Amino acid sequence: DTGVSQDPRHKITKRGQNVTFRCDPISEHNRLYWYRQTLGQGPEFLTYFQNEAQLEKSRLLSDRFSAERPKGSFSTLEIQRTEQGDSAMYLCASSLTFPNTEAFFGQGTRLTVV
Amino acid sequence: GQQLNQSPQSMFIQEGEDVSMNCTSSSIFNTWLWYKQDPGEGPVLLIALYKAGELTSNGRLTAQFGITRKDSFLNISASIPSDVGIYFCAGQKAAGNKLTFGGGTRVLVKP
Repeated sequence: DTGVSQDPRHKITKRGQNVTFRCDPISEHNRLYWYRQTLGQGPEFLTYFQNEAQLEKSRLLSDRFSAERPKGSFSTLEIQRTEQGDSAMYLCASSLTFPNTEAFFGQGTRLTVV
Repeated sequence: GQQLNQSPQSMFIQEGEDVSMNCTSSSIFNTWLWYKQDPGEGPVLLIALYKAGELTSNGRLTAQFGITRKDSFLNISASIPSDVGIYFCAGQKAAGNKLTFGGGTRVLVKP
């Protein structure tokens, strides 16, 4: 399967703990995006990379959140000192920049903070 | 917050019926995409639209990019049970940039 892969699929953590999620994009895609989705809502943009450069961060991305894409391939999203409000589905997507720029999503990581 | 308004928020379908939904925005988007999401899964791309006025089909799905670039429409013809799910529209200001999503249209089967 050469689609976007996310790990883990589910994560339950206690409030105050740190968590890290991984995303492996489609191999030739140079753009990688992170979104967050809460129940009953559409996905909301968090941040995106072109290769290893982080080009944009949403105001939703508080200082407890950090994302990296060190070699321009896989990416990690870390949440420090988790809060119950962080409970959501975290979605990763990837795309080309030319000629077609459609974003393809992974299956997501469901985070539950207890 | 989200800038795209999807209508209707939910709808019931009966097998064989045609289904329509739309998405409107207060600002211009230069690319429109439609996704379908099943419970517990990520969104799956259905159709991408790149030009104002463009009409694109993918099997029983047809989508249009509104002339004003502030709206888009999705039609499903001859619906089948597996069409159940949540349909999201998404807009991009520039190709390859972040997506802004609507709140979704939930398609359910008539009891």
